[in-house]
Amino acid sequence: GAGVSQSPRYKVAKRGQDVALRCDPISGHVSLFWYQQALGQGPEFLTYFQNEAQLDKSGLPSDRFFAERPEGSVSTLKIQRTQQEDSAVYLCASSLGTSGRAEETQYFGPGTRLLVL
Amino acid sequence: DAKTTQPPSMDCAEGRAANLPCNHSTISGNEYVYWYRQIHSQGPQYIIHGLKNNETNEMASLIITEDRKSSTLILPHATLRDTAVYYCIVRADFGNEKLTFGTGTRLTIIP
Repeated sequence: GAGVSQSPRYKVAKRGQDVALRCDPISGHVSLFWYQQALGQGPEFLTYFQNEAQLDKSGLPSDRFFAERPEGSVSTLKIQRTQQEDSAVYLCASSLGTSGRAEETQYFGPGTRLLVL
Repeated sequence: DAKTTQPPSMDCAEGRAANLPCNHSTISGNEYVYWYRQIHSQGPQYIIHGLKNNETNEMASLIITEDRKSSTLILPHATLRDTAVYYCIVRADFGNEKLTFGTGTRLTIIP
């Protein structure tokens, strides 16, 4: 079946521009996660949704970062007034249930590579 | 989540078993051990997870020591496509959704 998809795959922005990154989770998956991966590092958690509710946004690095999932399916990560330090790969993942059990596997998309010049 | 320690890099000959170690000496009783891998320019891919018992699936085997302070991921017959960064993650059961990645082990399969 279809996996997690993300668009665009690559984005180049000038410093100060706003960007919007899209994530389409696996159909029927209730939980959705955003991660940021800097070059040479492992992914770092940004935020988590259960359906349309944003239950954890503790990883968002600043108030320039905003995520939404208004209908409980597609999610958008928006970065306002981009800075060079925002350059990274942004990964989206989804998982099936809501139990919070550690056994619920997260499935990742291919990521969006953002370069801020 | 408990922290994990992995060697930064390893090599393995094609066709041989690749054994990737992970130390998680501060793991709690309700924390699972997860393994993901990330092939270049792709998102992380789930491999296997376990709590106490050894686990096996079509991709790999996971051996967890009796005291649960360390584990080993085994790829039984490594191929060139197994070249990737492998992440060992411990994750609490209930109330802790996010995955906390370290820097992983870069495994290179040698032809």
